Amino acid sequence: EDQVTQSPEALRLQEGESSSLNCSYTVSGLRGLFWYRQDPGKGPEFLFTLYSAGEEKEKERLKATLTKKESFLHITAPKPEDSATYLCAVQGWGSQGNLIFGKGTKLSVKP
Amino acid sequence: GAGVSQSPSNKVTEKGKDVELRCDPISGHTALYWYRQSLGQGLEFLIYFQGNSAPDKSGLPSDRFSAERTGGSVSTLTIQRTQQEDSAVYLCASSLDSYEQYFGPGTRLTVT
Repeated sequence: EDQVTQSPEALRLQEGESSSLNCSYTVSGLRGLFWYRQDPGKGPEFLFTLYSAGEEKEKERLKATLTKKESFLHITAPKPEDSATYLCAVQGWGSQGNLIFGKGTKLSVKP
Repeated sequence: GAGVSQSPSNKVTEKGKDVELRCDPISGHTALYWYRQSLGQGLEFLIYFQGNSAPDKSGLPSDRFSAERTGGSVSTLTIQRTQQEDSAVYLCASSLDSYEQYFGPGTRLTVT
């Protein structure tokens, strides 16, 4: 069964304090791993897609990396506006295209 | 360009009533998905439409849930005889190539 586990559940950082969020997954043939950002009361906002181990993608203060068992979302020098819930999802080749989501990491960045 | 839109944004209904939730995908996107997000739970897949193919209904939790997609565009999710456990945010997403999915703002359903 495809499964995604995210840790920690919640993370509090001071502005400028870099850290990483973890996404561990099991899937029968990875088609893609996706990171989303979700603000309260809104739908998830697409951030990155990673397809194969060793791949990295960056956007502003965010960098996503992928291994065969997990993905990390590195946040460098975060700002208060980076506060949100970050969701990780996988899509397997055996699926019809639907995503399997983790429960998310709620990030709070204090000024 | 316009993103995925959903209506209504909020719906309060009494237990036992039927509700319809609407999704307008991004123009040109052939794939459309419905997910449910309950408090403290991750997003849960419900149903998937791809072009003119038969939908993948494997995520629907009971036969009270159904969905249709007319003309390959707008989709309606119908929940019959609503129960309190149906209270959740219902999210719609669309995709051009079944990879990156773009989500709407969701419909918050409250069953009293």
